[in-house]
Amino acid sequence: AQSVTQPDIHITVSEGASLELRCNYSYGATPYLFWYVQSPGQGLQLLLKYFSGDTLVQGIKGFEAEFKRSQSSFNLRKPSVHWSDAAEYFCAVGLSGNTPLVFGKGTRLSVIA
Amino acid sequence: GAGVSQSPSNKVTEKGKDVELRCDPISGHTALYWYRQSLGQGLEFLIYFQGNSAPDKSGLPSDRFSAERTGGSVSTLTIQRTQQEDSAVYLCASSFGGPQETQCFGPGTRLLVL
Repeated sequence: AQSVTQPDIHITVSEGASLELRCNYSYGATPYLFWYVQSPGQGLQLLLKYFSGDTLVQGIKGFEAEFKRSQSSFNLRKPSVHWSDAAEYFCAVGLSGNTPLVFGKGTRLSVIA
Repeated sequence: GAGVSQSPSNKVTEKGKDVELRCDPISGHTALYWYRQSLGQGLEFLIYFQGNSAPDKSGLPSDRFSAERTGGSVSTLTIQRTQQEDSAVYLCASSFGGPQETQCFGPGTRLLVL
């Protein structure tokens, strides 16, 4: 069965510092990988996705993620965090873009001055 | 609007009552998904509609849960005889039918069962 692990439940970073959110998945084939962000009281917004090709993908709001097949990982990074990045971040995996996704339990990001 | 809409945004009900949650997908999207987001369980897939195919109901937690999609557009998720453990945020998403597509999520319906 597919599964997604986000090891960090809560991370606090200072504004302007770099950020890395970890995501590991268990899957029988090359998965379709996604990162979504959820602000309080809001739905999920897609940050970026990996389907194939270049393993370093760029997303919105200055985020990027790198697919590492050997480590079954798809970590999300941002070089300089802004206070508005405070939110919950979800990693997800699917057979394709239009099949049900399996989500990690999320990482809550707090940003301090 | 251009996005996925859901109604109501909040619903409070008493244990044992039935509830209906509505999802209006993005126009032209052939695929529609229901997920549930609850404390401790994270986001879980419930049911998936793709075009005119039979829905994938493999994520429904019990036979108290059902969903239909009329005319390939609007979907209604029905929970019968609600229980307190049904309290959660119910999220709807839609997408075009191709494998390279991505799911667009609605704002969710927050359900509280007293």
